Amino acid sequence: QSALTQPRSVSGSPGQSVTISCTGTSSDVGGFNYVSWYQQRPGKAPKPMIFDVSKRPSGVPDRFSGSKSGNTASLTISGLQAEDEADYYCCSYAGSYTLGVFGGGTKLTVL
Amino acid sequence: EVQVLESGGGLVQPGGSLRLSCAASGFTFSSYAMSWVRQAPGKGLEWVSAMSGGGDSTYYADSVKGRFTISRDTSKNTLYLQMNSLRAEDTAVYYCARDATMIVAAYFDYWGQGTLVTVSS
Repeated sequence: QSALTQPRSVSGSPGQSVTISCTGTSSDVGGFNYVSWYQQRPGKAPKPMIFDVSKRPSGVPDRFSGSKSGNTASLTISGLQAEDEADYYCCSYAGSYTLGVFGGGTKLTVL
Repeated sequence: EVQVLESGGGLVQPGGSLRLSCAASGFTFSSYAMSWVRQAPGKGLEWVSAMSGGGDSTYYADSVKGRFTISRDTSKNTLYLQMNSLRAEDTAVYYCARDATMIVAAYFDYWGQGTLVTVSS
């Protein structure tokens, strides 16, 4: 069982928007502004898409955005494209003892 | 160009040992903490261990504490993970990742391609 809870799957049609939630506790997501999101295609390494809740690394399209409310972080992908189909994982800093905790991952299907 | 490249994976029997290596290039190795993150077949990501840039601090997930040891050789720009008393549940692809900030495990900005460790008799 993962420390952070994500929906197992989400789907959307090209051009639509989808939001993936990531629910933790006040000891991780709610306690720090250090939530990151990673995209992983089959057989590939994770690719960072969002860090520090809402910042985008260089090269990531602005269709990807992140936010947080209380103990739940969210990744929103607008203007869905076929290439966005992948697994998405959230990660949160959880303090100097536990450090990093990941969500179980969400499979995004572009219909 | 920043690169991290893992090696050392393979098949090992339960109770056995294995040492993974992660060769880093394209950045000042001693200035960054580094982490190991693993992914069991068909499962999600799990942070395993981290070491500060200076090598003075180490961190472990409870699932590997006492069995795994992280270390780094700054002269070789290489991170290691010594894995002892291996169990079937340690079977996974092990990724080496650079910690982008001073907050260890807050954000991993560069990842290697991973190396597969299979624990089986």
